[in-house]
Amino acid sequence: GENVEQHPSTLSVQEGDSAVIKCTYSDSASNYFPWYKQELGKRPQLIIDIRSNVGEKKDQRIAVTLNKTAKHFSLHITETQPEDSAVYFCAASKVSPIQVGGKLIFGQGTELSVKP
Amino acid sequence: DAGVIQSPRHEVTEMGQEVTLRCKPISGHNSLFWYRQTMMRGLELLIYFNNNVPIDDSGMPEDRFSAKMPNASFSTLKIQPSEPRDSAVYFCASSFPVGTSGGALYNEQFFGPGTRLTVL
Repeated sequence: GENVEQHPSTLSVQEGDSAVIKCTYSDSASNYFPWYKQELGKRPQLIIDIRSNVGEKKDQRIAVTLNKTAKHFSLHITETQPEDSAVYFCAASKVSPIQVGGKLIFGQGTELSVKP
Repeated sequence: DAGVIQSPRHEVTEMGQEVTLRCKPISGHNSLFWYRQTMMRGLELLIYFNNNVPIDDSGMPEDRFSAKMPNASFSTLKIQPSEPRDSAVYFCASSFPVGTSGGALYNEQFFGPGTRLTVL
């Protein structure tokens, strides 16, 4: 069945360093890949997403890359700050003109800790 | 915009009792999702609706779980009877089509604050 694997499960970096989180997906028909950030005790919130028709997208200190051939995508956070500490979830979805609201398959999450 | 609203925020109940979780999606959103989050299993999709119709309930654990969406502004997730292993945070999320690329429609999901359920 559909599956998304996420690594690492925990990641600790020094403030100012970069952090990279990687995900692989099983369904080659997946075409939408969002990333969610969840702070302790709060709800997941979308921080960036990428569609299958592009290979990279950047938003300030956050970037996401997609390799459709290898079926993996990554989140890159540069110049990390303590407020980046949270759990990050990747997800994959199949969306088509026929069926709106495709379900997201989430990875297991990565707990990022940024030490000042 | 108030965002996705869930109630109650916390629920403590005893094994065997019926539990009903409620969700009000963002106005205008046409898809609604119920998730369960635990440390062991992460974030799991239980069921989702498009235009009030259940599309995929393959994530519903067993017959003790049921979900309804009687109209576009309200959904419930019911557990009867509840068991200690049902203890988790239950999130509701809603989405709407945000745009097209190559004919496909993409949806950003907005999560509610969650309901923390504890079954003793």
